Amino acid sequence: KNEVEQSPQNLTAQEGEFITINCSYSVGISALHWLQQHPGGGIVSLFMLSSGKKKHGRLIATINIQEKHSSLHITASHPRDSAVYICAVRYTGNQFYFGTGTSLTVIP
Amino acid sequence: EAGVAQSPRYKIIEKRQSVAFWCNPISGHATLYWYQQILGQGPKLLIQFQNNGVVDDSQLPKDRFSAERLKGVDSTLKIQPAKLEDSAVYLCASSPTGSPTEQYFGPGTRLTVT
Repeated sequence: KNEVEQSPQNLTAQEGEFITINCSYSVGISALHWLQQHPGGGIVSLFMLSSGKKKHGRLIATINIQEKHSSLHITASHPRDSAVYICAVRYTGNQFYFGTGTSLTVIP
Repeated sequence: EAGVAQSPRYKIIEKRQSVAFWCNPISGHATLYWYQQILGQGPKLLIQFQNNGVVDDSQLPKDRFSAERLKGVDSTLKIQPAKLEDSAVYLCASSPTGSPTEQYFGPGTRLTVT
């Protein structure tokens, strides 16, 4: 079964805190995406991973293929980071499967 | 490069009415996706087009939902008649030819059915 699980479901942090959001999936994948969705609904792709680690500004994404697990880290969090973060995986074929998202609120 | 365009951004209708959403993908992207995202859930694929052909519409409720991409460029998604449970954000995304792992999302259309 192609399941994508994220944790935590909701997260509240103080400005400046280090944040980790986790994603696990059930079978081998060809790619994993971390997406950011703001309250208006639009989605922005943050990272696409198939192995290792990627960094962009204060965001870091890692993936462990053997453990079928990925993490999204936010260093020095800021209120503007408040959004829903969604993990999406692509198995064989062209379809993506999405996690239910992690709602992050960063308090000043 | 212009992104994926969607309209309208917001729509409120009464149940049993009809509604249509429009999507214009990034120029040159052959693959176009429509997703439904109900509040608190991840996006669910409704239909995927490759040029003007349907690749996957297994989760599209065909008794009330329809979608077309006649010229292989922009696409419309229609709901007729709408139900309360159709209230959701409808997201359009596109992928470039040869890079199906890249998806670029539009801003979404938030539909409220009352």
